[in-house]
Parts: sequence; C-alpha cells; structure tokens
Amino acid sequence: TQLLEQSPQFLSIQEGENLTVYCNSSSVFSSLQWYRQEPGEGPVLLVTVVTGGEVKKLKRLTFQFGDARKDSSLHITAAQPGDTGLYLCAGAAGATNKLIFGTGTLLAVQP
Amino acid sequence: ETGVTQTPRHLVMGMTNKKSLKCEQHLGHNAMYWYKQSAKKPLELMFVYSLEERVENNSVPSRFSPECPNSSHLFLHLHTLQPEDSALYLCASSPDGGTYNEQFFGPGTRLTVL
Repeated sequence: TQLLEQSPQFLSIQEGENLTVYCNSSSVFSSLQWYRQEPGEGPVLLVTVVTGGEVKKLKRLTFQFGDARKDSSLHITAAQPGDTGLYLCAGAAGATNKLIFGTGTLLAVQP
Repeated sequence: ETGVTQTPRHLVMGMTNKKSLKCEQHLGHNAMYWYKQSAKKPLELMFVYSLEERVENNSVPSRFSPECPNSSHLFLHLHTLQPEDSALYLCASSPDGGTYNEQFFGPGTRLTVL
C-alpha cells in the first residue's frame, strides 16, 4: 500500500515566521502535487513537480521534489494569515497516475 | 458558474433516508471523481468516471451509488447510510481521462448521518 506521511500534522506560528512541511513515502511517484484547502472549500492545486530534485517557487512558497522522487517539501517564507489552511501533498503513481493523498498538515498563522 | 460546483453544501439525513449529491463541472474536462474526506484520514478516492464510463470503484459499499449521465455531471446516490459515513464528500474533475493529474475540486458536501 502506498502511503504519504506528512509532518508536522499541526503547526501554529506567528505572522512573519518561516516554516517547512514534509511529505515522505517509501514509494516512487511520477509526479507530486501540493494542494491547499481552506475551511469550507475543496483543495486547490498549488504546484506540480515532476523531475527528481526539481525546485519550484510560487511567491513566498518553495516546493522541492526529492532526488529519488519519494519525498517533497514545502517551505513558506514570512508566513501570512492568508496562508492558513490544510496543506495536502498527492503523489501520482501507476499506469493511470492515480493520486495518493498525504495525511495533511494543518497550518494556522496568527496575526 | 465556473469551475466545479456541488450541491447541496450541507446535508443531514437519517439512516433510512435516500438522498443524492450533485456535482457539475464547467471546465470541459473528460474525467470526474468522488472523494471522501474524514477527520484524521487522507482523502479516499471512491469512484472515477472517464468519458462517462466508470473506470474505478475503490471497494465502496453499495449504499453509495454513482451516476454520470454526461461528462459535465456526476451524482452520488445515498441510501441506508451509517453514522460513520458522515464526512465531507468532494467532487473533482480533470482534463484527461487517462491520467488523474491536475484535478480541480468542488467545495464539497458536508454530510451528517444521524
């Protein structure tokens, strides 16, 4: 069974702090996606990383795909209250690139 | 309307009721999905439709019955549910029916079974 473990599960920080969320698996994925889900809404795709070692930046968010394509990280610089939400990683695997979702990291940024 | 819409947003039902969840996508996509999101558990894929054909059923109990009349609409018919079925039910769509990447999610239906 393919599993994606995210850490930490919960994170509460002050506005302006930096943070990193990790997404780890023993399985290899063809690509990995990060989503953010706000209360009362569905997940929204932030980024897709495809190549081992790839780094993508989205304003204050930096995403990295591990060299072996088994893990990923999301780093947020100078967090804002608007970054609050549930962050989900999802790995694509198999012939149909079925998405396996991670356990999620709930982030709260206090003003 | 744009994106993926779901109705109703909230639903409370008894175990003997029959209800349906509706999903509509306005993105011209070929694949649609039902997911279940429970507290402290990863998103669970329930059903996948590609070009209106069901291509995946992840061992979902028969009390959940999907229907995809066309590529823009997806329903989830519910009957004789159990309290443990209470969850957020998310619909998603993606452009390519052959791969599951780039999924666009609706806001979900919060279901409570009494």
